Amino acid sequence: GENVEQHPSTLSVQEGDSAVIKCTYSDSASNYFPWYKQELGKRPQLIIDIRSNVGEKKDQRIAVTLNKTAKHFSLHITETQPEDSAVYFCAANTGNQFYFGTGTSLTVIP
Amino acid sequence: NAGVTQTPKFQVLKTGQSMTLQCAQDMNHNSMYWYRQDPGMGLRLIYYSASEGTTDKGEVPNGYNVSRLNKREFSLRLESAAPSQTSVYFCASSEFSSGGGYEQYFGPGTRLTVT
Repeated sequence: GENVEQHPSTLSVQEGDSAVIKCTYSDSASNYFPWYKQELGKRPQLIIDIRSNVGEKKDQRIAVTLNKTAKHFSLHITETQPEDSAVYFCAANTGNQFYFGTGTSLTVIP
Repeated sequence: NAGVTQTPKFQVLKTGQSMTLQCAQDMNHNSMYWYRQDPGMGLRLIYYSASEGTTDKGEVPNGYNVSRLNKREFSLRLESAAPSQTSVYFCASSEFSSGGGYEQYFGPGTRLTVT
């Protein structure tokens, strides 16, 4: 089956700096890559996604890139704010199954 | 439009007790899922249902059973709870999108403790 690896597991940045989280996947059949933000005690919320026919997607301060050849995709958050502090999960979708990374705990220091 | 709902929100069980976690979605999605979330391990798939009347095992199905009651509802049953099943359980639903891939939405979670 699919194997998704996510790095780093923890990340601390100063407010206003950028944060980058990276994921790799193993199954070339995966064709949809969502990113979720999970605040403490809450459900994962979809924040951005990218499909296999697209190399980059941006939504305000958040962007995601996909390199299908290398089988990796990344989340970029610019101008970070304290409310960006949360756990972020990447996932890869194959058929109707989702495979998740182990999460990155992001702390934005005011 | 409530999205995905789950009951209960919290539950404490003694070892050996049984219980059913309920999940419902009102988005008319075909696919539904049960995940467990443990610290440092992300979300792991227990069972999923691609459509009404079908269920399949995920990564960690041992100790669990599921029922896809209808298109809206997907329940998870623990027949004989064990301390190793202490976790947060999330239900999710998804639908194939025209752009490719299945967009997935999560319920609020059930925090289960087995003593």
